[in-house]
Amino acid sequence: AQSVTQLDSQVPVFEEAPVELRCNYSSSVSVYLFWYVQYPNQGLQLLLKYLSGSTLVKGINGFEAEFNKSQTSFHLRKPSVHISDTAEYFCAVTKGSGGSNYKLTFGKGTLLTVNP
Amino acid sequence: DTAVSQTPKYLVTQMGNDKSIKCEQNLGHDTMYWYKQDSKKFLKIMFSYNNKELIINETVPNRFSPKSPDKAHLNLHINSLELGDSAVYFCASSQVSGNEQFFGPGTRLTVL
Repeated sequence: AQSVTQLDSQVPVFEEAPVELRCNYSSSVSVYLFWYVQYPNQGLQLLLKYLSGSTLVKGINGFEAEFNKSQTSFHLRKPSVHISDTAEYFCAVTKGSGGSNYKLTFGKGTLLTVNP
Repeated sequence: DTAVSQTPKYLVTQMGNDKSIKCEQNLGHDTMYWYKQDSKKFLKIMFSYNNKELIINETVPNRFSPKSPDKAHLNLHINSLELGDSAVYFCASSQVSGNEQFFGPGTRLTVL
């Protein structure tokens, strides 16, 4: 089974500042990793994903994440945030073999609040 | 066109009632899911169907019964609703061998 820990439940930052949202995972098998964003009263939108290959993954809206297998981490970063980035961010993991028995295990989420 | 749609968006009902939530995807995916998001925003999988066959059932009370009439639809029927069922329910879909799940907008269920 897989598990995900998002170390910060809330991250307040000022506009144009850099931000890092931390995510650690646990798994006995290879994994796929994801970051989803949830804007207020909306569904989940995929920001980026790591499946294999380059450990630095670039996503939408200027976000990127780095897969670190030795530290079992997949931290999300953005060099300069906007007020519109205010949202809940979820890290998620699934086993890397895919197939039909495929479920996402989510972290508890990090609320990013960008202040002017 | 909406990729994954859910109806209704909001559902307010009394304890003990039976209600259904519908989900449809027009992405041609083979696998569909139901997730529950509680008041603390925690997301947890409930069910997964692949080509109308149940493949994941995550210890959900049997008052919850998913039904998949075809691979584009996965409905969730809930019997004898309880206060603790209040949550946002998300439907999602993916390819069988896919790795990205596409989520619907959610259904906010409030049980009074």
